[in-house]
Amino acid sequence: KAGVTQTPRYLIKTRGQQVTLSCSPISGHRSVSWYQQTPGQGLQFLFEYFSETQRNKGNFPGRFSGRQFSNSRSEMNVSTLELGDSALYLCASSFLAGGPGELFFGEGSRLTVL
Amino acid sequence: DAKTTQPPSMDCAEGRAANLPCNHSTISGNEYVYWYRQIHSQGPQYIIHGLKNNETNEMASLIITEDRKSSTLILPHATLRDTAVYYCIVRVEAGKLIFGQGTTLQVKP
Repeated sequence: KAGVTQTPRYLIKTRGQQVTLSCSPISGHRSVSWYQQTPGQGLQFLFEYFSETQRNKGNFPGRFSGRQFSNSRSEMNVSTLELGDSALYLCASSFLAGGPGELFFGEGSRLTVL
Repeated sequence: DAKTTQPPSMDCAEGRAANLPCNHSTISGNEYVYWYRQIHSQGPQYIIHGLKNNETNEMASLIITEDRKSSTLILPHATLRDTAVYYCIVRVEAGKLIFGQGTTLQVKP
């Protein structure tokens, strides 16, 4: 079974631009969550979607947004990029939302903002 | 607002058991303890989780104290490929894991 797929794997943007990252969950998984990882802050929860609805949101500004499609694929968007948005963005999927099951993480999208 | 405390780093000799401790003194009765690890530049990998009882799978064992205020992850025969950052997490809400700083485990030959 294919794992969680994130695209693109690497990208470089400049301040003020916007970026869209994509995540394809494991087939059959309906919950997708997003995390940001930086050297200073570690892994931080961004938001979680289940059946196209955002069920949970972390403490990030409104420049960070996401959505989930009917096929469970998810995208996250960051507008008006800042240097501090440089990070590894990780997507994770699980079969259920709320259950005790494990999260399966993708390899991440590494964003560099210049 | 991590709910767990772990030592920042540990060493282990190859072939020996690695015992990674975690304190979660404020854990609620229905919160699970999860362990993930992250090998450099890869996504976190699920290891094991438990509620009250000790758990074992092909990767590791999880020992949870009776009062559930602490736990230990045991890698029975550590290899060099087990060198990674290990995160102990108390699951807060659906899909939301609060990661702390984790323990960097260095397995040495």
